[in-house]
Amino acid sequence: NAGVTQTPKFRVLKTGQSMTLLCAQDMNHEYMYWYRQDPGMGLRLIHYSVGEGTTAKGEVPDGYNVSRLKKQNFLLGLESAAPSQTSVYFCASTDALSGSTEAFFGQGTRLTVV
Amino acid sequence: QQPVQSPQAVILREGEDAVINCSSSKALYSVHWYRQKHGEAPVFLMILLKGGEQKGHEKISASFNEKKQQSSLYLTASQLSYSGTYFCGTEIGGSARQLTFGSGTQLTVLP
Repeated sequence: NAGVTQTPKFRVLKTGQSMTLLCAQDMNHEYMYWYRQDPGMGLRLIHYSVGEGTTAKGEVPDGYNVSRLKKQNFLLGLESAAPSQTSVYFCASTDALSGSTEAFFGQGTRLTVV
Repeated sequence: QQPVQSPQAVILREGEDAVINCSSSKALYSVHWYRQKHGEAPVFLMILLKGGEQKGHEKISASFNEKKQQSSLYLTASQLSYSGTYFCGTEIGGSARQLTFGSGTQLTVLP
């Protein structure tokens, strides 16, 4: 059971380039989330999805777009990368039917924008 | 709004106890606690629900004071494996079950 898998694990982009981060979960979870983690700031929610075909903005959505075309996948896109988007990105999922809402995290993607 | 965690960092000797606090200015539905080791993903420790009792797992336990919107994580007889950054995540309710995380408490346990 793989849980939550993120690809790629590392990436270096030049300013202005675009890229897509992929998150895949095999737990049949309804809810999926994208966070960014910066030193001293904890995890901040970028976008989230409560089901296939639905997405919503989180705390820091600017500069990012997302899509949830399949229940198991949640994609995070950067259309024109900026140095301020250098961060570690984590995807997470939770089971909507469970009362505990324990979040399962992927291993993270370390993105550097130069 | 981000919950406030304290202290920001703590250094312990093996076998000592520690308390990490998390407070919110909003009425909370639940509080989650996660531990993250360097270079790894956060790992779930426990959840405290509104109206729920204190939770515990071996030597790590937590409480939730609904009146003050505060939660505390208690680590007793610390082990080297307890080292890491501890985050509280707060949930105010709603259909999306969103968590807002604190900035973390870095715990270092020395031999």
